[in-house]
Amino acid sequence: EVQMVESGGGLVQPGGSLRLSCAASGFIFSSNSMSWIRQAPGKGLEWISFISNTGSPIYYSDSVKGRFTISRDNAKNSLFLQMNSLRAEDTAVYYCARIVGAYGQTNFDYWGQGTLVTVSS
Amino acid sequence: QSVLTQPPSVSGAPGQRVTISCTGSSSNIGAGFGVHWYQQLPGTAPKLLIYGNTNRPSGVPDRFSGSKSGTSVSLAITGLQADDEADYYCQSYDSSVTGWVFGGGTKLTVL
Repeated sequence: EVQMVESGGGLVQPGGSLRLSCAASGFIFSSNSMSWIRQAPGKGLEWISFISNTGSPIYYSDSVKGRFTISRDNAKNSLFLQMNSLRAEDTAVYYCARIVGAYGQTNFDYWGQGTLVTVSS
Repeated sequence: QSVLTQPPSVSGAPGQRVTISCTGSSSNIGAGFGVHWYQQLPGTAPKLLIYGNTNRPSGVPDRFSGSKSGTSVSLAITGLQADDEADYYCQSYDSSVTGWVFGGGTKLTVL
């Protein structure tokens, strides 16, 4: 069974940092690209970052570019998101998701349960 | 403002049929990028419902179907059931932002 479990969320002050982790199981992690997607309270879904199965290329949304860093450890079946210079508007549930499909048809077929990040003083 | 446009809400009585539209532009749906639909039940993570405009993953009932016409796509749900009450999101890829985009979401209420 494909499963992703996020961890590392919590309360952080504006300007602070947090590192999220996503532990994957039930599939060949090193064969799949992965993404982070977030959802602010009561709002819709926002894609924020992509990493290919080999670790390159990497893409970010404009809203997090320069502040967040995605990475992965294929030996440990793990995905990470280092979040720096956090702002109140980064408050959201953060999901890791597996990407499947050929170019132009990519979708997120499995999602973790999410981890809540709250940025507040 | 979302790159893909969905109605904020739709409703229908049990057993009825409802449709949810998703409108894009020439840099996403109109460019031929696939559209995918997700169902998010209250308090849970999104679940893939339709991929590649019209395809259902294993386990998704055939009451759910997708269609595409030009730069618009639609999700149809027939034989509405109470547990279909959820938020529904469309998603595609956008070449102008070099990334994946979602619609703003549509809340389905079963009356």
